[in-house]
Amino acid sequence: KNEVEQSPQNLTAQEGEFITINCSYSVGISALHWLQQHPGGGIVSLFMLSSGKKKHGRLIATINIQEKHSSLHITASHPRDSAVYICAVRGYSGGGADGLTFGKGTHLIIQP
Amino acid sequence: EPEVTQTPSHQVTQMGQEVILRCVPISNHLYFYWYRQILGQKVEFLVSFYNNEISEKSEIFDDQFSVERPDGSNFTLKIRSTKLEDSAMYFCASSEQGLTEAFFGQGTRLTVV
Repeated sequence: KNEVEQSPQNLTAQEGEFITINCSYSVGISALHWLQQHPGGGIVSLFMLSSGKKKHGRLIATINIQEKHSSLHITASHPRDSAVYICAVRGYSGGGADGLTFGKGTHLIIQP
Repeated sequence: EPEVTQTPSHQVTQMGQEVILRCVPISNHLYFYWYRQILGQKVEFLVSFYNNEISEKSEIFDDQFSVERPDGSNFTLKIRSTKLEDSAMYFCASSEQGLTEAFFGQGTRLTVV
């Protein structure tokens, strides 16, 4: 069973700061997802990656398969980035039928 | 942009009652999932569904749970006899293929009283 750990659990920063959220997992995976959960509860998929790096706007996600580690970066952070950021991984078995294993999430607050 | 829709957004039910949570996955997606999140805890996998049958299920998904795709668009989660500990946010998700990106609905908050 994969153990997914995120750090930090809580992060408060000032608007404009560069944000890094880390995720590590214990067992090899086929893909890693970064998700965003807003106070209302809905979950939005930000990235799915299995190697290298992806960029979307001010968000950058990287993964190091050998180290079993991924990071989510936010450049020029803004109060609207305040949310819970969740890392989730998918294993190799089942061709995708097995569900995602989630981390506990990082609660990010960006202050104006 | 296509999205996964869930109804209702909030349901309150009495302990022992049956509830059905409904989801409309994205139309060309083939894999469907239910997850739950108890307040303050992490999201947990319940079940996956492909080709009109359950593909995988977690230990949480016991005999009181069932899933169904009654027609070409809906995907439902039924809880037969709700318990207080079933109170949670339930998320439906779908993906085009098993290993592609999953898209989540907004969730149904179930409160069992």
